[in-house]
This record gives sequence, C-alpha cells and structure tokens, in this order.
Amino acid sequence: SQKIEQNSEALNIQEGKTATLTCNYTNYSPAYLQWYRQDPGRGPVFLLLIRENEKEKRKERLKVTFDTTLKQSLFHITASQPADSATYLCALYNTNAGKSTFGDGTTLTVKP
Amino acid sequence: ETGVTQSPTHLIKTRGQQVTLRCSSQSGHNTVSWYQQALGQGPQFIFQYYREEENGRGNFPPRFSGLQFPNYSSELNVNALELDDSALYLCASSSRGTSHEQYFGPGTRLTVT
Repeated sequence: SQKIEQNSEALNIQEGKTATLTCNYTNYSPAYLQWYRQDPGRGPVFLLLIRENEKEKRKERLKVTFDTTLKQSLFHITASQPADSATYLCALYNTNAGKSTFGDGTTLTVKP
Repeated sequence: ETGVTQSPTHLIKTRGQQVTLRCSSQSGHNTVSWYQQALGQGPQFIFQYYREEENGRGNFPPRFSGLQFPNYSSELNVNALELDDSALYLCASSSRGTSHEQYFGPGTRLTVT
C-alpha cells in the first residue's frame, strides 16, 4: 500500500520568505500528487495537483514539483504571509482505486 | 453553486451506540468519499460512493457503512462505537470525470465517551 511522509511536523518562517514543504512517498502506483491546505476545525481545501508526467506546476505564489525518481514532491510558497499559516497536507490520488492517501501534514507558521 | 455541507457539526456519543452522519455534495458532483481524521493525523479513506453503490473501501471494519441517495447526498453509519472512533469525519465530493479534484466539507467532530 502507498505510504506518505511529510518530513516536518512544523515549520516556522519569517514573513516574505519562501516556505518549502517536503512530501515523500513509497510504493508508487499510477497517481496524481495533491496538496491541500487545512485550517483548524475545517476541512482540507484543494490547492494544486500535479500529474506523474509533470515536473512542475505553478499557481500564483504556489509551486509544486514532482520527482518520481526520488519519490518526492516539494511545495513552495513564495513571499509568504501570516495568512498562509495553516497545516498543509500532501496526498497521492490513486487513479485505479479512486482514493487519496494523505500524509499527516506540516503546520506552517509565518511570523510577521 | 453550493459547497459541501455536513451535519451535525459536533456530536457526543457513548461507547456501544450507533451514529449517522450526513453529507450533501457540491452541486454537479456525483461521487462522495468519506474520510476519518484523528487529531494530528491526515485523513484516512473510509469508502467512496458513486451511483448509490460503494465504489472502493479503505481499511475500516464492516461496522462502518454508508449510503448514497439519488440526489447524491450521503450518510455514514457507524455501529457499536468505540473510543477510538473519536475523530473528525470528512465528506468530500467530486465529479466522476475529475474525481481527483475533491472538495471537502467542514466535517463532523465525533466524540465517543
């Protein structure tokens, strides 16, 4: 079965810096890699998806990379703001099974 | 366009009781997935419903069951509640053709005492 590991439980950075979150996975099968944001007491909010044949995807201040050789995805938030403070979840969506396997998340705190 | 809604918001039950949680999918979505999220962990896939049939199941015992209705809304039923069932239960809806883009509801916080 697929296993997802997000390397840091918590990440603290200064406003304006770039936050980089790491997601590693094992037992790859045809899948998309997804990133979600989750605020306390709320459901996850879908941010970005990257397919196995894509190396990089961007959306505004967000950038995701997907390295199927290293079995790793990096999630970058540039020019970070205190409003970016939240837990970020990485997930592998299995296209055969139609389900997402989530990591336990990294809690990002951006200090003013 | 309305988003995914779940009810109730919070629920307290006693061990051994049964509970039903409800989810209304986003307008235009025909697939509903249920996840369990324990404190400090990521969501764990319970099962998915499409066209009123279970379409994939995670590693959860049979006392976790569900239904999907013709209007695509869904229920999650849990029998013989255990203390470890205390968690945030999330419903996510998607469209069959783009089922990788899931939209989550706010969740139901279940506490089993």
